[in-house]
Amino acid sequence: AQTVTQSQPEMSVQEAETVTLSCTYDTSESDYYLFWYKQPPSRQMILVIRQEAYKQQNATENRFSVNFQKAAKSFSLKISDSQLGDAAMYFCAYRSAYRGSQGNLIFGKGTKLSVKP
Amino acid sequence: GAVVSQHPSRVICKSGTSVKIECRSLDFQATTMFWYRQFPKQSLMLMATSNEGSKATYEQGVEKDKFLINHASLTLSTLTVTSAHPEDSSFYICSARDHLAGGAQYFGPGTRLLVL
Repeated sequence: AQTVTQSQPEMSVQEAETVTLSCTYDTSESDYYLFWYKQPPSRQMILVIRQEAYKQQNATENRFSVNFQKAAKSFSLKISDSQLGDAAMYFCAYRSAYRGSQGNLIFGKGTKLSVKP
Repeated sequence: GAVVSQHPSRVICKSGTSVKIECRSLDFQATTMFWYRQFPKQSLMLMATSNEGSKATYEQGVEKDKFLINHASLTLSTLTVTSAHPEDSSFYICSARDHLAGGAQYFGPGTRLLVL
């Protein structure tokens, strides 16, 4: 079974600085997807970024980028120029690309990010 | 991005009553929808996966007779908490997959259930 581990329960960053959230996963599959979701106090889950395992290039979305290390099974999220609105819970998630799977997301326990003004 | 709605957003009910939560994909068809439960300060726990027109697949430890899931159309799935008790109080979130958008998964805003 696949697992996702987020080893940082809480992180803090100064506004305008850069912060990196860690995520590791365990799988025996070769094809899968990885995601970072943000859950602000409203509790609405928002997709931040997505990475296909077959792509070597790291995904980037504006101030958000990932460092995907497939061999190490690591998928960290870097937030540049942090803003107050970035404060939220961040969940790393895995999804199998195997055709026979249900395709459900497997979540890590989350990292609570605080942004200091 | 695509929109998933949930109704109601908040419900308070007496112990022993049943509560139905609706999940709708507003601008796409979702053959697969997921129901999650989230306790305070914890991650999302998958309860069940529902596929349109077939029975839901429940995760281990989730009582299928307690949490009835119906996915009768490509845009609507419902979760009914039957004979709710205080321990069922939680935040319930649905999610829908858009198979035409590379399987992108979108989340509803959640439903806060409080059973007195």
